[in-house]
Amino acid sequence: QKEVEQNSGPLSVPEGAIASLNCTYSDRGSQSFFWYRQYSGKSPELIMFIYSNGDKEDGRFTAQLNKASQYVSLLIRDSQPSDSATYLCAVSENYGGSQGNLIFGKGTKLSVKP
Amino acid sequence: KAGVTQTPRYLIKTRGQQVTLSCSPISGHRSVSWYQQTPGQGLQFLFEYFSETQRNKGNFPGRFSGRQFSNSRSEMNVSTLELGDSALYLCASSFVASEETQYFGPGTRLTVL
Repeated sequence: QKEVEQNSGPLSVPEGAIASLNCTYSDRGSQSFFWYRQYSGKSPELIMFIYSNGDKEDGRFTAQLNKASQYVSLLIRDSQPSDSATYLCAVSENYGGSQGNLIFGKGTKLSVKP
Repeated sequence: KAGVTQTPRYLIKTRGQQVTLSCSPISGHRSVSWYQQTPGQGLQFLFEYFSETQRNKGNFPGRFSGRQFSNSRSEMNVSTLELGDSALYLCASSFVASEETQYFGPGTRLTVL
């Protein structure tokens, strides 16, 4: 059974702080890793993806991947109240090609306090 | 460009009935995936269609089925509804050549009584 584990939270951080969200996965064959944000009552939206070990930065967001440890994280710098949402980690065994058949974690609820 | 649309947005059915949900992908997108989201299980993959062919299937019973039409629109059907089928059903589309981004629709909230 391929699993993606996330701390359900809630994770509470003050405005302006760094929020750190973590995710582990069980399938060593996983190749692609995605972070989605889901606001309450809304559908998920892709924040960023990462394929290679190391860090990938996009604005205030940094994804980190360590395939040896089967660990992927998302850092949100200068957290804003608008970042308050549930963050979903998803993995795929596909490297390139279709993203279908994503396996999702159950999400970490982030709350950014003003 | 219009986003992914799903109809209906809300649906109430009783046990034993069947239901059909519809998804229209973003124009030009050829891949459509379906997911079920529940508080207990989170987001779970149902199936993926590309060019009218099912490419991947999740671990759901045969009561769950789908299809894709030549215009890339997709439907999913659930027969003999059970209480546990109550969920948000999300459709996502992607342009296969650009594998990174899968855009989700607003979902269909199905309640089974």
